[in-house]
Amino acid sequence: DAGVTQSPTHLIKTRGQQVTLRCSPISGHKSVSWYQQVLGQGPQFIFQYYEKEERGRGNFPDRFSARQFPNYSSELNVNALLLGDSALYLCASSWLRVGNEQYFGPGTRLTVT
Amino acid sequence: SQQGEEDPQALSIQEGENATMNCSYKTSINNLQWYRQNSGRGLVHLILIRSNEREKHSGRLRVTLDTSKKSSSLLITASRAADTASYFCATDWASGSRLTFGEGTQLTVNP
Repeated sequence: DAGVTQSPTHLIKTRGQQVTLRCSPISGHKSVSWYQQVLGQGPQFIFQYYEKEERGRGNFPDRFSARQFPNYSSELNVNALLLGDSALYLCASSWLRVGNEQYFGPGTRLTVT
Repeated sequence: SQQGEEDPQALSIQEGENATMNCSYKTSINNLQWYRQNSGRGLVHLILIRSNEREKHSGRLRVTLDTSKKSSSLLITASRAADTASYFCATDWASGSRLTFGEGTQLTVNP
C-alpha cells in the first residue's frame, strides 16, 4: 500500500506570492493534519481535517488555510509569503480523529526568497 | 512553547551500544509517540504508548512512560549505523489528533 504522498517535493517562491501544497493520505485514512518544521526544530501543528471539516488549528496566522476533499486528500494554502515561512511542510494521515498513530509523508520543502 | 522536551540534544555512540533518549512533557496526555527523521525528510512512526501503559516493545525499541513524572524514554538496543537520525517524542494531549513535538535528539551511531 502506498504511504502518504505530498507534492511538490521542493518549491521556491518569492515574498508576497501564494503557494498551494498537496497531500494524499493513506487509503482508508480520513484524518489529515499539516505541520510546519523549521530547520533545527520539531514540527509544529497547523491544521487537522477530519471528514472534510476543520477539527483543529494551531497558532498560525490567517494567511494559512487548508481544505479536505471528498477523497480525503488535502491542500494547504499560504498567502502573502514571508521569509519566515521557509520550512518543511509535513502532512500526516490517521485512521481516526483522535488518539491513534499518525503517518507522515516525505514533506514539501518551501523556500521563500 | 513545545510540550515535549528531549534529552540529550545530541548523542554519539558506537555500533552495538545501547542508546537512551528521554522526553519530558507538561500536561496530561492521551498518548505519546516516538518518531525518527533522517536528514530533514519525513517522519517515520516508531511506537505509540498510551497513557495507561507503562512499557512497550517493538523489535530493538523499548519505550517506557511514567505519567506521574510526565516523562518517557526510548531505548534502542544493539544500535546500528543506520539508526543515525533525529528522534522526536510527540504528545497527543488535545481532543483531536494534534501532536506536540519536542526539538529532538540527534543520534549518531559510529561504525
